[in-house]
Amino acid sequence: DAKTTQPNSMESNEEEPVHLPCNHSTISGTDYIHWYRQLPSQGPEYVIHGLTSNVNNRMASLAIAEDRKSSTLILHRATLRDAAVYYCILRTNAGKSTFGDGTTLTVKP
Amino acid sequence: DTGVSQDPRHKITKRGQNVTFRCDPISEHNRLYWYRQTLGQGPEFLTYFQNEAQLEKSRLLSDRFSAERPKGSFSTLEIQRTEQGDSAMYLCASSLNPHNNYGYTFGSGTRLTVV
Repeated sequence: DAKTTQPNSMESNEEEPVHLPCNHSTISGTDYIHWYRQLPSQGPEYVIHGLTSNVNNRMASLAIAEDRKSSTLILHRATLRDAAVYYCILRTNAGKSTFGDGTTLTVKP
Repeated sequence: DTGVSQDPRHKITKRGQNVTFRCDPISEHNRLYWYRQTLGQGPEFLTYFQNEAQLEKSRLLSDRFSAERPKGSFSTLEIQRTEQGDSAMYLCASSLNPHNNYGYTFGSGTRLTVV
């Protein structure tokens, strides 16, 4: 299974940018990089995804390394509501995806 | 569209009893997935369907677990002879095909407690 590696936890101050890293050195050419976040007692929520180029949406930006072996989720101004567990996964042609344990983001007021 | 619905939200059962969970995916999504999540861990893949066909089951899924998706719409996950180790959040997700360029939409999950 295609695997990703993320730091266990990160902290940020409110209204500051947050850069959440993810390593995926075994990525294949057709694998998409997806990010989700999960609040307590809820299912994961889709954040953003990309293949090769950087992507922006209303929630976040995704920066993908040129060799695609790593990516960074960027929250431009963290709010208290952004405190969650963030998962980086690879979506492959095989159908299923493997979730790691994600990064727990703490936002300090 | 109301998203992915899961029922019930919470289930407490005695060890040895059978339980069944239901998932209603987004109507146009042809892929449906079941994941299990324990406290502090990421979701763990259990099985997935393409329409009504079950395409893959995790090797971790014992024969006490069975899933169906009749007519390619809603899905059920049944656990027979529950054990305390089955206590977890059971998550359902749906997606369009080609799946790698579409995100999962997850439900809120069913929290199972086996006492």
